[in-house]
Amino acid sequence: DVKVTQSSRYLVKRTGEKVFLECVQDMDHENMFWYRQDPGLGLRLIYFSYDVKMKEKGDIPEGYSVSREKKERFSLILESASTNQTSMYLCASSSTSYNEQFFGPGTRLTVL
Amino acid sequence: QQPVQSPQAVILREGEDAVINCSSSKALYSVHWYRQKHGEAPVFLMILLKGGEQKGHDKISASFNEKKQQSSLYLTASQLSYSGTYFCGTEEGGENYGQNFVFGPGTRLSVLP
Repeated sequence: DVKVTQSSRYLVKRTGEKVFLECVQDMDHENMFWYRQDPGLGLRLIYFSYDVKMKEKGDIPEGYSVSREKKERFSLILESASTNQTSMYLCASSSTSYNEQFFGPGTRLTVL
Repeated sequence: QQPVQSPQAVILREGEDAVINCSSSKALYSVHWYRQKHGEAPVFLMILLKGGEQKGHDKISASFNEKKQQSSLYLTASQLSYSGTYFCGTEEGGENYGQNFVFGPGTRLSVLP
């Protein structure tokens, strides 16, 4: 059974903290994605990666960075968390650029 | 640019039909449909490629009119398990072929007994 896992389901951080969200997939997929989900706005793409050490900005990359050192792992980094980054963060992977995406369970991040 | 979905929300009784629409201002190569149940991750339903092909998945089917840059998702004889938020995702065609995949804002579907 295919699987995308995320390091935490719930996370509470303080303004200014550095935050790491980890995502791991076991399907040997080339492509991995980070989305944030807010009510009424759907899923907005933050960054995606089509290969190890490769990354592309999505629609809302400001305030975020990513790291992909291994094929199965894609990390989202908030260098200095702010309250407007409180959101649900979803990771996904796919075998080709925009083929069927498999999503992780999400991390609900609250920044106080 | 995010596609537009309509309606924003719909409430049905079990056994009723529903249509969810997705439209874009850009030429499209493909349209994807996902469903997200409350508290769960989005799950892929189907992809429709340029060519106006209609696809089916149990009692859920979809069409893609590339000339109108629209797709419609049809839910027939809805079941309680159909409740959730439905997202379309669009991939550009034309000179931006295969680029700029973007999800719509979602349509919340509630099926009541």
